[in-house]
Amino acid sequence: QSVLTQPPSASGTPGHRVTISCSGSASNIGTNTVDWYQQFPGMAPQVVIHSNNERPSGVPDRFSGSKAGTSASLAISGLQAEDEADYYCAAWDDSLSGWVFGGGTHLIVL
Amino acid sequence: VQLVQSGAEVKRPGASVRVSCKASGYTFTDYYIHWVRQAPGQGPEWIGRISPKSGDTKSGQKFQGRVTLTSDTSISTVYMDLSRLNSADTAVYYCARPHVDYTSYYFDSWGHGTLVTVSS
Repeated sequence: QSVLTQPPSASGTPGHRVTISCSGSASNIGTNTVDWYQQFPGMAPQVVIHSNNERPSGVPDRFSGSKAGTSASLAISGLQAEDEADYYCAAWDDSLSGWVFGGGTHLIVL
Repeated sequence: VQLVQSGAEVKRPGASVRVSCKASGYTFTDYYIHWVRQAPGQGPEWIGRISPKSGDTKSGQKFQGRVTLTSDTSISTVYMDLSRLNSADTAVYYCARPHVDYTSYYFDSWGHGTLVTVSS
């Protein structure tokens, strides 16, 4: 079981907005920043949000992140077919002294 | 930045496996290299990291005593050795280099992944 908890799936229609949640604890999300990774089948994960709400260059501004307490969220607005992928949250865990990830959310664009 | 990993492996239970990760496009000793694995249908799992400059390593609690991380600066390559394999170790193993600045630390360069299959 993953340390961070995500819903296994999410869906939305093109043009609409979808959010993906990530729940942790005081030792990870409650204390440290959260990153979000996008992964397509057979490919390595790629960061879309880092440090809770920062977008690396090249990532569309349709992607945004937020954090409150021991939970974080990834929002994708203006949903596009190309956004269909798996999304994972990640954070450093002070108690485990290691990086922890969520189990992933499969986003379906209807 | 490019991280090129070794090819797929098939191992028997109880055996050991070595996965390599050759770095290029940056100064090899300036960044840690992390190892992350992903079992089929599961989320990623952090294994550990190595400083190519000092050789200092840190591994996740689950892997302590079973994983060895080493580096060879002469060929800009890091290695992950995992021993006493069992079926639960079947996964794709990635090496990853972090982006580091004053306010952020995240994995921004990844290898293509190495599938390790443990089966009798």
